[in-house]
Amino acid sequence: DTGVSQNPRHKITKRGQNVTFRCDPISEHNRLYWYRQTLGQGPEFLTYFQNEAQLEKSRLLSDRFSAERPKGSFSTLEIQRTEQGDSAMYLCAASQISYGYTFGSGTRLTVV
Amino acid sequence: ILNVEQSPQSLHVQEGDSTNFTCSFPSSNFYALHWYRWETAKSPEALFVMTLNGDEKKKGRISATLNTKEGYSYLYIKGSQPEDSATYLCASLQGDDKIIFGKGTRLHILP
Repeated sequence: DTGVSQNPRHKITKRGQNVTFRCDPISEHNRLYWYRQTLGQGPEFLTYFQNEAQLEKSRLLSDRFSAERPKGSFSTLEIQRTEQGDSAMYLCAASQISYGYTFGSGTRLTVV
Repeated sequence: ILNVEQSPQSLHVQEGDSTNFTCSFPSSNFYALHWYRWETAKSPEALFVMTLNGDEKKKGRISATLNTKEGYSYLYIKGSQPEDSATYLCASLQGDDKIIFGKGTRLHILP
């Protein structure tokens, strides 16, 4: 148990469908990050929250992607009208201070 | 544009041998350098967080050094064991509080 939970672990969806992933950090984690990892690449930054405020959003995140963190606790990442290129591992990481990030186990998305 | 480079991309090492690999990162606006160990189907595991030029950290057979002036860090593994097989990620935290990862070095330990 890393202290950061992600659900679901795996998601297979048809192209064009919407999907939503969830990340639950422990309560002391005021910073929460979303990354995407594709084969052969390191994790790519998508967006991050300081409490409930979304402070930065990568240009990788098209308008089909949206993330929320209501009340500064859990976060959701939604992808609308999924495309095959969205197939990847989506990782959530949380941090209490700027040192040390705890990762969840990730959600593997497959778009068919 | 931030760029974190790791080399080599892949490495095969005989069990018992020692090895090392490199992470280079932008030296301007540097805040911290992180090393992670990532096994397939698991989440990255934090190994070291280093901030000061000349830092050296050690965890068992694994150690790391940091040169912030020239923007590089080395990770060393002494006496490689099969359980060391993994991808080793380095990540740079710059002053804007965003952590950027390299593509990793995939280490294979040969029996």
